[in-house]
Amino acid sequence: ELKVEQNPLFLSMQEGKNYTIYCNYSTTSDRLYWYRQDPGKSLESLFVLLSNGAVKQEGRLMASLDTKARLSTLHITAAVHDLSATYFCAVLNTGTASKLTFGTGTRLQVTL
Amino acid sequence: NAGVMQNPRHLVRRRGQEARLRCSPVKGHSHVYWYRQLPEEGLKFMVYLQKENIIDESGMPKERFSAEFPKEGPSILRIQQVVRGDSAAYFCASSPALGVWGTEAFFGQGTRLTVV
Repeated sequence: ELKVEQNPLFLSMQEGKNYTIYCNYSTTSDRLYWYRQDPGKSLESLFVLLSNGAVKQEGRLMASLDTKARLSTLHITAAVHDLSATYFCAVLNTGTASKLTFGTGTRLQVTL
Repeated sequence: NAGVMQNPRHLVRRRGQEARLRCSPVKGHSHVYWYRQLPEEGLKFMVYLQKENIIDESGMPKERFSAEFPKEGPSILRIQQVVRGDSAAYFCASSPALGVWGTEAFFGQGTRLTVV
């Protein structure tokens, strides 16, 4: 059974600081996704990582994928308050090609 | 994404009642997925449907839960004889093809079920 773990579960950081969220998964998969969820809202797709070594950047967020280590990172550069949200990584089950398995989420709080 | 419409947004049911959650996918999307999110947890897969067919229900509890996606109309997730442990946010997602996620698949805003 595919398991996806994120850490940390909760992250409080000051504006202007950098930090990295880690996502580990247990079995082979070539597709990894990062989502953002604001309280009481739906999920917004941030990044799709399709191959080993893939790196995507959007604004202050950068995501990378190492399929050999089964590890993805979401790096936050010079955090701002607007980035406060919960971030999920999700891995596609290669066997079924249908469902995503989500990590437990990282709740990010950026303080002034 | 506003394209996937779920209703109701909030639903309160007493223990033992039935809960019926509706999901209208993005126009043209024939693949629908239901996920459940318990408080402070990630989303857990429940069921994957195509029109008139249940493709994968490996995440559905064996009892009290059922899902359908008829030829016409929205997909329905039905929970019979609800218990307090069913309180959660239920999200529906739709995609245009099998295994397509990311920016081509969309989640609805969820139905937040509270069982009292």
